[in-house]
Amino acid sequence: EAGVTQFPSHSVIEKGQTVTLRCDPISGHDNLYWYRRVMGKEIKFLLHFVKESKQDESGMPNNRFLAERTGGTYSTLKVQPAELEDSGVYFCASSQGASGRGPLAYNEQFFGPGTRLTVL
Amino acid sequence: AQSVTQLDSQVPVFEEAPVELRCNYSSSVSVYLFWYVQYPNQGLQLLLKYLSGSTLVKGINGFEAEFNKSQTSFHLRKPSVHISDTAEYFCAVAFGGKLIFGQGTELSVKP
Repeated sequence: EAGVTQFPSHSVIEKGQTVTLRCDPISGHDNLYWYRRVMGKEIKFLLHFVKESKQDESGMPNNRFLAERTGGTYSTLKVQPAELEDSGVYFCASSQGASGRGPLAYNEQFFGPGTRLTVL
Repeated sequence: AQSVTQLDSQVPVFEEAPVELRCNYSSSVSVYLFWYVQYPNQGLQLLLKYLSGSTLVKGINGFEAEFNKSQTSFHLRKPSVHISDTAEYFCAVAFGGKLIFGQGTELSVKP
């Protein structure tokens, strides 16, 4: 069974440009998550899709970030315009079933290899 | 609020020595705790998890962790490390379906 895949593996762009990151979750996984690790810091949650709907986007840093999940399959994360502080590694994860809404809701998350974004 | 603190950013150790990677958490509710590992140029892989039951949790590759509620800790241990254990290790707590991570600990195993 194929794991979570992300494209591209690396992206180097200049400040002000646009970049789109893609994530393909494990087939059949309803939940899709985006996380980001800025250099030297912890991995931080960005948002959570259940199928095509945004369940939680509390971690999105600002309106320069736009995430979509077409038809509940793959997801894209667009940064427009990119700033220097957007540099980091963007991870995608997916999990089965409905993870629920309560604080103890959880299904095991499987992570992709990440996309390393460098903004110059 | 939920948070995770990994007390060591880097841990160098010689091959076949024991190792402990420390993790403390804070949470206002019962917790689910995890350790993930990231090998060079790879994604995050689940090492082990604590959801309920026995406080001593065994994971892959000979790692184990102990959940200590009174100390709010979930330290990761291995009695004898190999060169191949060189990686970055992340402690995390689940809350509302999302994971909250610590800052990561780089384990460097030297021959």
